[in-house]
Amino acid sequence: GEDVEQSLFLSVREGDSSVINCTYTDSSSTYLYWYKQEPGAGLQLLTYIFSNMDMKQDQRLTVLLNKKDKHLSLRIADTQTGDSAIYFCAEKAGGGNKLTFGTGTQLKVEL
Amino acid sequence: DTAVSQTPKYLVTQMGNDKSIKCEQNLGHDTMYWYKQDSKKFLKIMFSYNNKELIINETVPNRFSPKSPDKAHLNLHINSLELGDSAVYFCASSQGFSRGTDTQYFGPGTRLTVL
Repeated sequence: GEDVEQSLFLSVREGDSSVINCTYTDSSSTYLYWYKQEPGAGLQLLTYIFSNMDMKQDQRLTVLLNKKDKHLSLRIADTQTGDSAIYFCAEKAGGGNKLTFGTGTQLKVEL
Repeated sequence: DTAVSQTPKYLVTQMGNDKSIKCEQNLGHDTMYWYKQDSKKFLKIMFSYNNKELIINETVPNRFSPKSPDKAHLNLHINSLELGDSAVYFCASSQGFSRGTDTQYFGPGTRLTVL
């Protein structure tokens, strides 16, 4: 079955790195995604990783995937106040288009 | 040049009413989706259409009926609204390839409040 879990809250200071974690249960996941949701807005795709990769870097974002432990993380370097938002991981499993979203992590960046 | 648009942005209505939410995408995508986000921010897929054909139908009450007049539009009609229908409804679209990333692009959401 599909179950995607995230911790609910994360608070960091501006300039520090943030690490948002995600665990999933479906071993047939093909792609894993990170989306950002700012208050009152829709979801914006940040990055994704294919299941046969273990790392992907995109500017301040680093995605790590441990397929054996079914653990995904998103590291944001030099976190800014504009990074404050809810971050969702999502998995695409099997051959379909369906995305299963995690519970979301509220990131708060303090000055 | 909005990619995925929804109307209305806010919808406040009484229990028992029937309402519709519209979604349009100008990305040329073949697949469109409706998601529901509850008050705890849990986001769950409701429906997916590929080229006007229903391909995903999660366990959703049959008071919810999606309608796709063409592949650029996917509307959501809700009959006999209940308090528990209050949520933010997101429309999304993707190219529709099962293989590959098939990135989904989301609309801004419609906040439905049932009184």
